[in-house]
Amino acid sequence: GAVVSQHPSRVICKSGTSVKIECRSLDFQATTMFWYRQFPKQSLMLMATSNEGSKATYEQGVEKDKFLINHASLTLSTLTVTSAHPEDSSFYICSARSGLGNTQYFGPGTRLTVL
Amino acid sequence: AQKITQTQPGMFVQEKEAVTLDCTYDTSDPSYGLFWYKQPSSGEMIFLIYQGSYDQQNATEGRYSLNFQKARKSANLVISASQLGDSAMYFCAMREGFYNQGGKLIFGQGTELSVKP
Repeated sequence: GAVVSQHPSRVICKSGTSVKIECRSLDFQATTMFWYRQFPKQSLMLMATSNEGSKATYEQGVEKDKFLINHASLTLSTLTVTSAHPEDSSFYICSARSGLGNTQYFGPGTRLTVL
Repeated sequence: AQKITQTQPGMFVQEKEAVTLDCTYDTSDPSYGLFWYKQPSSGEMIFLIYQGSYDQQNATEGRYSLNFQKARKSANLVISASQLGDSAMYFCAMREGFYNQGGKLIFGQGTELSVKP
């Protein structure tokens, strides 16, 4: 199957700092990338959908200014958590889909801990 | 309203036996896709199987098969000959509409499967 990578896999930061998470599709061009958030023992909640070269579409209740998403190329999308607070601590997962396929392929996830 | 429902928070199965994980969905869109993903403790989401709403046959992938009952709006996952490595969280997900309408997935609550030796 297709490969999606995320970096970093784990990050610990101080409250008030910003954290950038990268999502890359390694062997295919991802016209659409998705960012999810998952709390322990819970399901994945979609945060936003990003299409290459255009602004991301955020789900209701997700703060656009706090979770900045950039999809600058067909293989890279970034999520920046600005002014992170302890309540932002979570598991963030990206997924990517090529324009011709039905399946979303997921990255391995990034565990963010804000102290 | 919940669009994807998984009513089994946890399931146990004996090694080498078959197990069925339940999933029901709700949509008024005639075109949709149903997915199952496995999430081991490492956190990665592993794609298992896909069923399109217009597919005539039930999807199968190795030991995984999807029991698709359209009239009942159910898409249960059947795992045959369970292995210890099958212990994980399993998520059912639905995509509404054709792929060029966004393609976002809606996930169920998940079922934690434990395989006993």
